[in-house]
Amino acid sequence: AQSVTQPDIHITVSEGASLELRCNYSYGATPYLFWYVQSPGQGLQLLLKYFSGDTLVQGIKGFEAEFKRSQSSFNLRKPSVHWSDAAEYFCAVGVWNNNDMRFGAGTRLTVKP
Amino acid sequence: ETGVTQTPRHLVMGMTNKKSLKCEQHLGHNAMYWYKQSAKKPLELMFVYSLEERVENNSVPSRFSPECPNSSHLFLHLHTLQPEDSALYLCASSQGEGGSADTQYFGPGTRLTVL
Repeated sequence: AQSVTQPDIHITVSEGASLELRCNYSYGATPYLFWYVQSPGQGLQLLLKYFSGDTLVQGIKGFEAEFKRSQSSFNLRKPSVHWSDAAEYFCAVGVWNNNDMRFGAGTRLTVKP
Repeated sequence: ETGVTQTPRHLVMGMTNKKSLKCEQHLGHNAMYWYKQSAKKPLELMFVYSLEERVENNSVPSRFSPECPNSSHLFLHLHTLQPEDSALYLCASSQGEGGSADTQYFGPGTRLTVL
């Protein structure tokens, strides 16, 4: 079965600084990769998704992620963080015709003024 | 309403109570999911319904009983829960064409506290 690791439990960045959240996956074939964001007391909102084609994926709110097959990674980036980006971020991996989407444990982002 | 809605948003229940969580999706999707989100643990998939038929049941205790009367509604019936069942319960829906390859759209969750 597929699996996901988010190595960083908590990251703090200053407002306006760049951001990179790490995600590593394990799966033998081409995975479907997702990044979701969860604000306190809310459900998960999709930021972006990769399933084929260009390995650099653009998402909402100025986020992007790059799929690197050689490193089994799908890191999330943003060039300039805003205070409203403070939230929990989840990486997930899905498989065609398998219902069990696997989520990482999440990375909590704190933004300093 | 749009998207995926869940009621109630908060629920406190005793161990001997019976309650139900409700989820409704307004996206025309064919698949619906229940997840459990506990502190410091990854989301745990509990149940999956596709076209109102249960297709996944991830070893969930029988004190949790799902029901999907149609493709827009999903319920989670709760009885004789334990304190360790306290968590955020999230409902999601997807087109239902590719399993976990589909994008899932989540509701805001029900925060459940079992006393």
